[in-house]
Amino acid sequence: SQQGEEDPQALSIQEGENATMNCSYKTSINNLQWYRQNSGRGLVHLILIRSNEREKHSGRLRVTLDTSKKSSSLLITASRAADTASYFCATDPDSSYKLIFGSGTRLLVRP
Amino acid sequence: DTAVSQTPKYLVTQMGNDKSIKCEQNLGHDTMYWYKQDSKKFLKIMFSYNNKELIINETVPNRFSPKSPDKAHLNLHINSLELGDSAVYFCASSQVRGGQETQYFGPGTRLLVL
Repeated sequence: SQQGEEDPQALSIQEGENATMNCSYKTSINNLQWYRQNSGRGLVHLILIRSNEREKHSGRLRVTLDTSKKSSSLLITASRAADTASYFCATDPDSSYKLIFGSGTRLLVRP
Repeated sequence: DTAVSQTPKYLVTQMGNDKSIKCEQNLGHDTMYWYKQDSKKFLKIMFSYNNKELIINETVPNRFSPKSPDKAHLNLHINSLELGDSAVYFCASSQVRGGQETQYFGPGTRLLVL
């Protein structure tokens, strides 16, 4: 079964608003990553947060990690139309040599 | 220059045929991966190679055979294609094996089996 589940499955917001996506996972992890996928393209890495970190920032992105709740959130501030894409969380479960991806959140930013 | 490249970008073929997808990375990474993304956008790992050695094989039918001639290349050969093989296949690479580092993805190969 999937390790990561994103919520919501789809999100539509107006340009300039903030977008928040959530990810829940099942087993203990070493780190959690967020990736973006534009339509018809490959995935692009956004940010990695390690299991001993609680919050991380990169430009307009803010990621939080709560290992007690096995959840993470990705906040995109001041969204732009170019942020329209699918966003995936990915985890590497302990004792594993692979990334397991969630089901993704499809974000639409309306101009 | 493209970091991870795949060919072909599109592949349309008949059921029962055999086809190959090629992947090359120029990042000097030790580990390469094949993922399958289905119509619902769910991305699942199929194989992983580290320095030409197979380290992950995720219960993929043996009709799928990866081959790594060197650590910069990981090809995927599929025998006796079935309708359910229709998907987008992504190649990726990372500096070290496992999920502790960023993975770099290719643009994908869209396979349609008729």
